[in-house]
Order: sequence, then C-alpha cells, then structure tokens
Amino acid sequence: EVQLVESGGGLVKPGGSLRLSCAASGFIFNTAWMNWVRQAPGKGLEWVGRIKSKTDGGTTDYAAPVKGRFTFSRDDSKNTLYLQMNSLQTEDTAVYYCSTMSDYGDFRNWGQGTLVTVSS
Amino acid sequence: DIQMTQSPSSLSASVGDRVTITCRASQSISTYLNWYQQKPGEAPNLLIYTASNLQSGVPSRFSGSGSGTDFTLTISSLQPEDFATYYCQQSYRTPYTFGQGTKLEIK
Repeated sequence: EVQLVESGGGLVKPGGSLRLSCAASGFIFNTAWMNWVRQAPGKGLEWVGRIKSKTDGGTTDYAAPVKGRFTFSRDDSKNTLYLQMNSLQTEDTAVYYCSTMSDYGDFRNWGQGTLVTVSS
Repeated sequence: DIQMTQSPSSLSASVGDRVTITCRASQSISTYLNWYQQKPGEAPNLLIYTASNLQSGVPSRFSGSGSGTDFTLTISSLQPEDFATYYCQQSYRTPYTFGQGTKLEIK
C-alpha cells in the first residue's frame, strides 16, 4: 500500500524558513516523479511544483509564486522528499500535500498534508 | 499558463440525482485532464485520469468525458458519500493548474 506522510509544518514568522518532509513507502520511490500541492484555508488546490526522478534528470519545476524561495530535493536512500521554504510570506499559509505523479500525469497518491502557518 | 474554469462553483442536489460538472481549459490540453474529489479535512482523491479513465476502486457511477478544451464529470446517481468538492486539473504542461472547485451540497 502506498503511503505518504508529511511532517515539519508549524507556525513561522514572515521572512522565516521551514523544511517539510514527505516519507514515502509502498512503491519504488527512486523512479517516482513527486509533486507538492498546497491549499490555503478555505481555498482551492494550488500546484507548488514537481521533482523528477534522478533517472529522468532529477529536474525541478516551480510555480511562479514560490520560484526562488522554495527548493525541492529528494533522498532516495531514505525514500523521502523535502520542501525547503525560505522567505515565507503570509500568503504561503496552507496545508501542504506531497503526491505521486503517475505516468499519465495525474496526482495518484496523496499524503495527509501538513499545515504551515505564516504569521507574526 | 493554462487556466481551468469549472462550472458551476456550487451545486445542490439530492441523493439519486444525476449530476454533471464541467471544466473548460483556456487552450487545448488533449485528454490530459484529471478529476479529484475532496472531503472536508481530507486530502484529495483521484477519481478520473486522462479525461475518461476510472481510477481503481472508484465507483462506476463516476464517469468522465471530453477532449481538447471541454470536459465533464458525471455522477450517475448521487450517493450520500458523494457530497464533497470536486476539482479538475490539467497535466498537459507545467504549471499544472486546477479548476477553482465545485462544491456539491445536499439539497
């Protein structure tokens, strides 16, 4: 069974940093393309970005609102995905989900999410 | 960026009703269109991928159709557990974008 477990969320002041983790199990993580999606309180879903598998280059794509502030990385030896968030702004307040991406491009499996609150 | 527009934004219906939600892309996305269901406090759940393919474990009352710019999600006979918010999402190119959501409520 595929499992994705996010952690690392919490309260941070504007301008601060936070690192989220997504621990994966139940599938071959090192071949998986992974995405981050966020959802502000009471709002819809917003794609944050994607990291390809290392065998496919390990490249990253970021949504415009987070480009230059957020960084994705992965440790395939630990089956873990990371999201480093710097220069956090109040509008980054959201539940952050990690998800697997299927060969068809859909977000097939999701974690339970972790809440990030940016507030002074 | 490809804009995804869902209609309606909210919908009231009764158990047993047939319901259709539409999603329009701002440019052609072939069939790179996916549908998700989200219940309060839960992560989204994939229902339909590549416009018309039913994800494993999803009841057959859910179906999807369309290609190019216009897509539909149909629930043939609403069940109590179907009251939720539904999102379409294009995976044609990055940035992947979602529709704004359709909240399906009990009439």
